[in-house]
Amino acid sequence: QVQLVESGGGVVQPGRSLRLACVASGSTIRNFGMHWVRRGPGKGLEWVAVISYDGKSAHYADSVRGRFTISRDNSKNTVYLNMNSLRPEDTATYYCAKESRYQLLYGDVDDWGQGTLVTVSS
Amino acid sequence: DIQMTQSPSSLSASVGDRVTITCRASQDISTHVAWFQQKPGKAPKSLIYAASVLQSEVPSRISGSGSKTEFTLTINNVQPEDFATYYCQHYNGYPITFGQGTRLDLK
Repeated sequence: QVQLVESGGGVVQPGRSLRLACVASGSTIRNFGMHWVRRGPGKGLEWVAVISYDGKSAHYADSVRGRFTISRDNSKNTVYLNMNSLRPEDTATYYCAKESRYQLLYGDVDDWGQGTLVTVSS
Repeated sequence: DIQMTQSPSSLSASVGDRVTITCRASQDISTHVAWFQQKPGKAPKSLIYAASVLQSEVPSRISGSGSKTEFTLTINNVQPEDFATYYCQHYNGYPITFGQGTRLDLK
C-alpha cells in the first residue's frame, strides 16, 4: 500500500495562485493514474482532476477547467495541482488519490492522502 | 454529466442494527460504482468497487449491490467504528461524480 502526503495548502487571496503537491512513498506511483478530490466546508466530496500514469492525458471537472492544471514527475514520485485564478468556492481540503488499475484511467481509486487545506479569502 | 442521487442524507442507528444506503445514477453505468467512508478530519477510505467487490481489509458486514442505475450499500450489525459519512461515486467516464453523502450517526 502506498502512502500519499499532500502539501502546499494555505490561505490565499481570490485571484491568486497556489501549487499543491502529493508525494508518494512506500511504493511507486509511476504506473498509476492519480486524482485530486476536494471537500469544501459543509460539502461533500468533489472530484477535481486526473492524470494518466505517463502524464500524457488529463481530465478536469467543469468547475476548475481552464484554471487548474494537474501534472506529475515520476522521477520524484510526485503529482501536482497548479491552481490559478482561485475563487472563494475553491476553499476545501484537497486530497490526492491513486487509481487502482495499472496504467489505466478507470476512475476507481484505492489509496488516499490525508489532505491539505486551501482557504481562499481576502 | 452523470448525476448520482444518494439517499438518505442522514441516518440514525444503534449498534447491531442493519442499515442501507441507496444511490441512483442518472443513466446506465453498469457496475462502475465505488463506495467510500469518511470520518471527521480523516481521509476518505475506499470500501467497495465494481458495485460489490470489497477492498482489502474491509469487514464482511459491509456489502454492496446493484447495477445499471440502482446501487445499495448495506452494513449489517453496525459497529461503533462504522459511524461516519458514506459516499457513492461513479466511474463510468469523466467527469467522475459523487453522491451527496449519507451521515450515519448513533441513535
